[in-house]
Amino acid sequence: DAGVIQSPRHEVTEMGQEVTLRCKPISGHNSLFWYRQTMMRGLELLIYFNNNVPIDDSGMPEDRFSAKMPNASFSTLKIQPSEPRDSAVYFCASTPGQVAYEQYFGPGTRLTVT
Amino acid sequence: RKEVEQDPGPFNVPEGATVAFNCTYSNSASQSFFWYRQDCRKEPKLLMSVYSSGNEDGRFTAQLNRASQYISLLIRDSKLSDSATYLCVVNSPSSGGSYIPTFGRGTSLIVHP
Repeated sequence: DAGVIQSPRHEVTEMGQEVTLRCKPISGHNSLFWYRQTMMRGLELLIYFNNNVPIDDSGMPEDRFSAKMPNASFSTLKIQPSEPRDSAVYFCASTPGQVAYEQYFGPGTRLTVT
Repeated sequence: RKEVEQDPGPFNVPEGATVAFNCTYSNSASQSFFWYRQDCRKEPKLLMSVYSSGNEDGRFTAQLNRASQYISLLIRDSKLSDSATYLCVVNSPSSGGSYIPTFGRGTSLIVHP
């Protein structure tokens, strides 16, 4: 079975450009999480969806960040406009239930904003 | 004070050694607890859940101390392949009322021959 799929795996963009990260959760999982990982701050939860509905977005850093989950098999995280401080690895994870379950992580998208 | 704190290490131990990590959390209303393992430039993967009564999986033992608000991970008979970063995860109520996972910064383990 395919695990969580993320694309692109690597993204290099210039400051001010729009960046869209994509995630396909494991089929049948109904919770999806977006994280950002940096050396300075570790792994931070950005937003959490349950049954395609955003449940908690308190970790979204600012209005430049937005996330959508139009259906159970697809989610996007958009940064517009991007800034060098957004450079990080962005992970998507899914679980079969809510937060009490094991999270299955995708391979991550390594974003570099120059 | 950070919600979930871990000693970043690195813990540098020889093969066969026993090593223990602790992770403290600040919110007494926290519920589920987990240990994840993350290899260099890879995604985190679940190592084990942590139950109130303590639990063991082969060489790994996890314990929860609610009174002192910490969880621990004990690795016996360390192997070279145990070298990784170990992340603790605590599910705590957010300001919005839902429970959300908070990861510690991780503890780096290096097992040498």
